Amino acid sequence: DAGVTQSPTHLIKTRGQQVTLRCSPKSGHDTVSWYQQALGQGPQFIFQYYEEEERQRGNFPDRFSGHQFPNYSSELNVNALLLGDSALYLCASSFPGVIETQYFGPGTRLLVL
Amino acid sequence: AQTVTQSQPEMSVQEAETVTLSCTYDTSESDYYLFWYKQPPSRQMILVIRQEAYKQQNATENRFSVNFQKAAKSFSLKISDSQLGDAAMYFCAYRTPPGGNQFYFGTGTSLTVIP
Repeated sequence: DAGVTQSPTHLIKTRGQQVTLRCSPKSGHDTVSWYQQALGQGPQFIFQYYEEEERQRGNFPDRFSGHQFPNYSSELNVNALLLGDSALYLCASSFPGVIETQYFGPGTRLLVL
Repeated sequence: AQTVTQSQPEMSVQEAETVTLSCTYDTSESDYYLFWYKQPPSRQMILVIRQEAYKQQNATENRFSVNFQKAAKSFSLKISDSQLGDAAMYFCAYRTPPGGNQFYFGTGTSLTVIP
């Protein structure tokens, strides 16, 4: 049973560029959440996708957008990259239930120069 | 807004000993869920233990147990018989009540296990 997978593992971009990160949820999961984890910090919630719709969003600007596909995989897009966008981006999948627990992928390390 | 506070940036423990990591949170809700996640240097967040707020009994998973004090909004993690593989960053997390979908994480506690 494959867990949550993310690609790429590392990425280097320059300011102003755009980036797309990808996530495949754990088998049987239909909900995907994205988090930004700055160095030395806890993960910060970006948004969550369910049934191909953004269900909830954290305090992130519109430069951060996402998409969920019919097979439940998801993309995170960041436009007009800033130096402060350098972070580990974590994807987590879950299955809606009374005790919804999120299972995390290994993350994508983004460095903006 | 909900906040999760971990006041111990770093902790250390001798192998085979017991260590307790602290976490407090702020919420006006009565029903919610709390979690401890472990993040080793490999970066992958691993669920350690979870607690439903409506349950008075503290959750236990093998060597890991919690002390959940709802009135005090405290949720500490006890690791017994510490092993070298327990060395990692530990994050406390709060999940909004049923129907809510957002997890809030603390800033983490870095645990070192001394052989």
